Amino acid sequence: GNSVTQMEGPVTLSEEAFLTINCTYTATGYPSLFWYVQYPGEGLQLLLKATKADDKGSNKGFEATYRKETTSFHLEKGSVQVSDSAVYFCALSGSAGRRALTFGSGTRLQVQP
Amino acid sequence: SAVISQKPSRDICQRGTSLTIQCQVDSQVTMMFWYRQQPGQSLTLIATANQGSEATYESGFVIDKFPISRPNLTFSTLTVSNMSPEDSSIYLCSVSGTAEAFFGQGTRLTVV
Repeated sequence: GNSVTQMEGPVTLSEEAFLTINCTYTATGYPSLFWYVQYPGEGLQLLLKATKADDKGSNKGFEATYRKETTSFHLEKGSVQVSDSAVYFCALSGSAGRRALTFGSGTRLQVQP
Repeated sequence: SAVISQKPSRDICQRGTSLTIQCQVDSQVTMMFWYRQQPGQSLTLIATANQGSEATYESGFVIDKFPISRPNLTFSTLTVSNMSPEDSSIYLCSVSGTAEAFFGQGTRLTVV
């Protein structure tokens, strides 16, 4: 079955530091890959996505590249802000589309001023 | 895109009682999904609700505990039955578009 493995948190960084949150997956076929973010007290929001190999998703300074050869979708940001403090979830959906997502365990990011 | 409205947004319930959560989507969708997010944990799929047929439950979840209704293509309910403190979680409704999933704001349930 499908699975997603995320680096454990919490990750604590100073403002303007470089961020990497690792995500690897196991899936059959060609899944779509996502990063969702959950700010304190709020619901899940889609941060970025990639639907095929070598695609790069980007949003709000965050980027992730769909690497089929390494089955990875690592999240990066060059300079984090305090407002980026949240829980980040890596997820995938089956290649057939319109299916439920499989989520990683989530990584809490804390950015200190 | 899809806009999902979930009610209630939060509730505090007595153990042994049941709570029904409603999910309304602003467009017709074939499948709706119910997830549970236990405190500090990731999201776990409870079941897939298909209009006109029985819901499909994931391992570890049963219909007697989490009955689901799907009367039409825009609405679904999830009931958490005979609640215990271990059911304290956020419950989320979701639908999938062609390239992404959309989530309701969730129902934060506390069982005391």
